[in-house]
Amino acid sequence: AQSVTQPDIHITVSEGASLELRCNYSYGATPYLFWYVQSPGQGLQLLLKYFSGDTLVQGIKGFEAEFKRSQSSFNLRKPSVHWSDAAEYFCAVLANQAGTALIFGKGTTLSVSS
Amino acid sequence: DGGITQSPKYLFRKEGQNVTLSCEQNLNHDAMYWYRQDPGQGLRLIYYSQIVNDFQKGDIAEGYSVSREKKESFPLTVTSAQKNPTAFYLCASSPDGPLSGYTFGSGTRLTVV
Repeated sequence: AQSVTQPDIHITVSEGASLELRCNYSYGATPYLFWYVQSPGQGLQLLLKYFSGDTLVQGIKGFEAEFKRSQSSFNLRKPSVHWSDAAEYFCAVLANQAGTALIFGKGTTLSVSS
Repeated sequence: DGGITQSPKYLFRKEGQNVTLSCEQNLNHDAMYWYRQDPGQGLRLIYYSQIVNDFQKGDIAEGYSVSREKKESFPLTVTSAQKNPTAFYLCASSPDGPLSGYTFGSGTRLTVV
């Protein structure tokens, strides 16, 4: 069965520094991959998604993610973090086009220090 | 504006009581989902519905029930059989399935007292 792992529970980054959040998936073929962000007490918002093609995908709010098949990874990056980026980030996977629902990782909480 | 509305935002339940969480969307989406979120556990799928009058169990359906009588509504009932119902519940919808990406509601925090 497909699964997704986010190895880092909590990360703290200085404002203006670069960010990378890790996501590893478990699935034999190329999955469909997503990154969502959640502000405290709120629902989730889609940042970006990868289906096929160019392995570097651009999303909203200046985020990007790179799909690496050899490492089964889909890491989220941002060149310069803003204090408003502090939130919880979830990676999600869908095994195939007929998949019924997204499977989410356990999330990474991002804190931004000044 | 189109969106997905969950109500109430906070809900308190006594042990042994059933309680229903509301989820309404005006996005004309076919698919709707219920997830449960616990600290450090991510989101776990409770039930989903791909079309009106049809729904399927997710990974943690025990102690929960749903209905999908209208396209725009997908209420979740937390029954007394759910042993640990205190959690944050999120409803989501998508136009025609998960590939389209989800639109989430703001969630309902349920506390058993």
